[in-house]
Amino acid sequence: QSALTQPPSASGSPGQSVTISCTGTSSDVGGYNYVSWYQQHPGKAPKLMIYEVSKRPSGVPDRFSGSKSGNTASLTVSGLQAEDEANYYCSSNAGSNNLRVFGGGTKLTVL
Amino acid sequence: DVQLAESGGGLVQPGGSLRLSCAASGFTFRGYWMNWVRQAPGKGLEWVANIKQDGNEEYYLDSVKGRFTISRDNAKSSLYLQMNSLRAEDTAVYYCARERGTKYFDLWGRGTLVTVSS
Repeated sequence: QSALTQPPSASGSPGQSVTISCTGTSSDVGGYNYVSWYQQHPGKAPKLMIYEVSKRPSGVPDRFSGSKSGNTASLTVSGLQAEDEANYYCSSNAGSNNLRVFGGGTKLTVL
Repeated sequence: DVQLAESGGGLVQPGGSLRLSCAASGFTFRGYWMNWVRQAPGKGLEWVANIKQDGNEEYYLDSVKGRFTISRDNAKSSLYLQMNSLRAEDTAVYYCARERGTKYFDLWGRGTLVTVSS
């Protein structure tokens, strides 16, 4: 049950694009299309931003997109806005035994 | 309104016990896997446990196996986490989260803080 690997920080200026990676193994990220991404502002509950690698829930701006290649998933935020500054976490199922795992989180700073 | 509301957190001594509850409303609780996820102060999210719709399957993070027990009462639309033999490293905000079929969490509560300290 090892956490997925994310960079601790990422940054970009308003209007720019930034991509956050999430690296796992063939037993989690690489083995299933079950990667999801969550945004969390300080003191708040996490909010679902992407599910099934690249799908957006209703109400999430299309500036947020997801993808996957091999054992690494990515979240791209385009047209950065001040309100995008938050912590972002990836998640996947871990193996075939119904365990779940999160990444360590990435703090996104809008410069 | 569709929502989850946790309760039961507080200060407990190392080795003590605590039972968390999560009240669901606005949706058919018995139709979903449910999860507990925790977040230690200043740290990231950590999945703790989950339970199948009918309560007949449960899975745990290795570090809590044998100490924590997840359960549910579908008649009361409630999820529980019984935490025994608590350790300082269990200090965290505990969230309950609803899970959809393809393993993502689409609904979260606001969390309840558990502090393990003497």
